[in-house]
Amino acid sequence: GESVGLHLPTLSVQEGDNSIINCAYSNSASDYFIWYKQESGKGPQFIIDIRSNMDKRQGQRVTVLLNKTVKHLSLQIAATQPGDSAVYFCAENDLNRSGGSNYKLTFGKGTLLTVNP
Amino acid sequence: DTGVSQDPRHKITKRGQNVTFRCDPISEHNRLYWYRQTLGQGPEFLTYFQNEAQLEKSRLLSDRFSAERPKGSFSTLEIQRTEQGDSAMYLCASSSDNHGYTFGSGTRLTVV
Repeated sequence: GESVGLHLPTLSVQEGDNSIINCAYSNSASDYFIWYKQESGKGPQFIIDIRSNMDKRQGQRVTVLLNKTVKHLSLQIAATQPGDSAVYFCAENDLNRSGGSNYKLTFGKGTLLTVNP
Repeated sequence: DTGVSQDPRHKITKRGQNVTFRCDPISEHNRLYWYRQTLGQGPEFLTYFQNEAQLEKSRLLSDRFSAERPKGSFSTLEIQRTEQGDSAMYLCASSSDNHGYTFGSGTRLTVV
């Protein structure tokens, strides 16, 4: 079936470096994407989202890039800090299928980011 | 507002017993969702409420699972005759038209 997947299951970076976490999706109808951060024992925490009519969106220290041609999504974290260590998930939704409301997210497996001091 | 609250945080139960989890969403959110997450995997959608109406159920939600949101506020998820395969983190989330998904911290269920 259609799914969202990740290229790398683990990523280790040095404190202060930039991190890039990648995600591939297969549902060409997906038009809304979210990146979540999940720390151990906690629920997923919203980081940033992007709609398919955009190819880039920036937040505080984070940037999401969307390439609809190759169905690829990435999360860039600038100046990675030890507190950024967590599992990162991308999730997708087909807003048109959902009748315009965002529900029933499909998550990928996740990438474990480890930041070394 | 303290966000989405789930209770209990942890539950250990013997196989065959029934368990019930509670979720209190963010008060102004009209949509409420239940997801299940197993170790190393992303959350999987179980069911969704808009106000008190349950609008969609995943095929993952077998007959032993039932969810309610009687007054359009808090929700409960009950699992009857638990099996070891039910062991997972059960996550609740809520949203509204003006606010995207906010997840709770989850209830970790261990069936022994």
